[in-house]
Amino acid sequence: SQQGEEDPQALSIQEGENATMNCSYKTSINNLQWYRQNSGRGLVHLILIRSNEREKHSGRLRVTLDTSKKSSSLLITASRAADTASYFCATVFNDMRFGAGTRLTVKP
Amino acid sequence: EPEVTQTPSHQVTQMGQEVILRCVPISNHLYFYWYRQILGQKVEFLVSFYNNEISEKSEIFDDQFSVERPDGSNFTLKIRSTKLEDSAMYFCASSQSTRQGKSYGYTFGSGTRLTVV
Repeated sequence: SQQGEEDPQALSIQEGENATMNCSYKTSINNLQWYRQNSGRGLVHLILIRSNEREKHSGRLRVTLDTSKKSSSLLITASRAADTASYFCATVFNDMRFGAGTRLTVKP
Repeated sequence: EPEVTQTPSHQVTQMGQEVILRCVPISNHLYFYWYRQILGQKVEFLVSFYNNEISEKSEIFDDQFSVERPDGSNFTLKIRSTKLEDSAMYFCASSQSTRQGKSYGYTFGSGTRLTVV
């Protein structure tokens, strides 16, 4: 399916550590996006990487894309307790489909 | 910063009733979407809408659902004859474009929590 699948499903780290979340997908994409969702709230767009890009940075976020392996990773450096949320990758071809998400907990 | 606005934030309805969820997309966006998220589950695509017609829809989006852009600003999702399993958070989103070469992130609204009792 086009949908991304994230791993791990849950990740717990200490404040200051880096968090890496992975996403794999099965079909062609135009771009891949990462979103964040605080519990019970809306989705916040974090970063978009196009299919012809390999790496992108935004503040403490670093996203990589390997279209040959159909995978992407989201790295959050120097994590903070406020980064605690669910993180979803979403693949875009004709429309956007979400993966199941990674639940990140950053302990103070 | 421009926002996508959804109303109401929470709606409770009796099983079998019809509900209309409302969204005001960002004014210069051309593509509109509805997604839903059942509690504790993944965000699921329902439908995309462009140029006053449905451009894509998922297997979830059956005859029970319909979308409309009744005027220049609102984008609505109608759910007929609601069932208990329709209880979910419904998110509206809009984007400038999805076409390759012009890729934009989607802007999501805060969602409408629908509870069917």
